[in-house]
Amino acid sequence: DAGVTQSPTHLIKTRGQQVTLRCSPKSGHDTVSWYQQALGQGPQFIFQYYEEEERQRGNFPDRFSGHQFPNYSSELNVNALLLGDSALYLCASSMSGNSTDTQYFGPGTRLTVL
Amino acid sequence: QKEVEQDPGPLSVPEGAIVSLNCTYSNSAFQYFMWYRQYSRKGPELLMYTYSSGNKEDGRFTAQVDKSSKYISLFIRDSQPSDSATYLCAMRRMNSNYQLIWGAGTKLIIKP
Repeated sequence: DAGVTQSPTHLIKTRGQQVTLRCSPKSGHDTVSWYQQALGQGPQFIFQYYEEEERQRGNFPDRFSGHQFPNYSSELNVNALLLGDSALYLCASSMSGNSTDTQYFGPGTRLTVL
Repeated sequence: QKEVEQDPGPLSVPEGAIVSLNCTYSNSAFQYFMWYRQYSRKGPELLMYTYSSGNKEDGRFTAQVDKSSKYISLFIRDSQPSDSATYLCAMRRMNSNYQLIWGAGTKLIIKP
């Protein structure tokens, strides 16, 4: 049973560029949440997708957007990258109706913005 | 001031020792409390989950919640080198199913 997978593992971009990160949820899960984890910090909730719609959003600007596909996989897009966007981006999946208490995390994508 | 405070460490202890990890919080509305373990280059993994006050034990791990003091703890007995990781606490309010508030994590090193 594959867990949550994310791609790519690492990514290096320059300021102003755009980036797309991808996530495949754990088998049987239909809800995907995205988090940003800066070095030495806990994860910060970006948003959650369920039934291909954004269900909840944290305190992140509109430069952060997402998408969920019919197979429940998801993408996180970040436009106009800033140096401060450098972080580990985590995807977590869960089953609908369950809270984020029972979510499973992927290994993350480490984004470096130069 | 952050809603959840956690000492970043590192905390270094010899193998076999009892480890105590702690978080304090300011929001009395928090009802659900979690401890996650995060190995280097991995995502967080849920270790313990408790509701309201009290203790919960799972193998070598014990989670403790003291709501009157706004203080939660994770105890690890008979610590092993494989327990070396960063431990993050997380918590949420009763009707906030989607947004956990996280501590910054404590780095734990178990020396053989």
